[in-house]
Amino acid sequence: GAVVSQHPSRVICKSGTSVKIECRSLDFQATTMFWYRQFPKKSLMLMATSNEGSKATYEQGVEKDKFLINHASLTLSTLTVTSAHPEDSSFYICSARDLAVSYEQYFGPGTRLTVT
Amino acid sequence: GQQLNQSPQSMFIQEGEDVSMNCTSSSIFNTWLWYKQDPGEGPVLLIALYKAGELTSNGRLTAQFGITRKDSFLNISASIPSDVGIYFCAGHNRSGNQFYFGTGTSLTVIP
Repeated sequence: GAVVSQHPSRVICKSGTSVKIECRSLDFQATTMFWYRQFPKKSLMLMATSNEGSKATYEQGVEKDKFLINHASLTLSTLTVTSAHPEDSSFYICSARDLAVSYEQYFGPGTRLTVT
Repeated sequence: GQQLNQSPQSMFIQEGEDVSMNCTSSSIFNTWLWYKQDPGEGPVLLIALYKAGELTSNGRLTAQFGITRKDSFLNISASIPSDVGIYFCAGHNRSGNQFYFGTGTSLTVIP
């Protein structure tokens, strides 16, 4: 149980284009989903928290117009990196939690984004 | 956001040795989680702790929720090569929604 998938696992895009990353909870309903960014050999940096059906809450310093988050259903959240630039290249990881069950959060396998 | 202090930052040990790492915070938490992350993968939940003083095991792993609620410890006994990876602690306070992550401990096991 508690499986979270992410798609795509790797993506390479050109500067100026937009990229969408999907995060799905496969066997539970995710009342809350989190999006993280991770730099090499660094810890996870929380970007935003999204609750199903409401607007995402962004952490300080994260541009909400650049990193669009949609939590449209209890099993799907998407992160769209708009007008990507090379400095957006990173490892993006989502996690999901079902508060009705526990405080534990489960991570997806991550998406490696490279902007050329 | 708040980040938890994890130590040591990295460890190089011989296969078969025991490993200890800890995580400290300036704030009190109600929940402590320990994760392991392999290169290029998302973190995998190892152990969850919900009560101060709680000691929980998962195979060769044992974690403890500190009595002060400001720290947690993870021990790995009889390490094996597949234990290699980065271990993260995470703390959660039920008054908020988010988890705070530690800085990570990189473990290398030498066969």
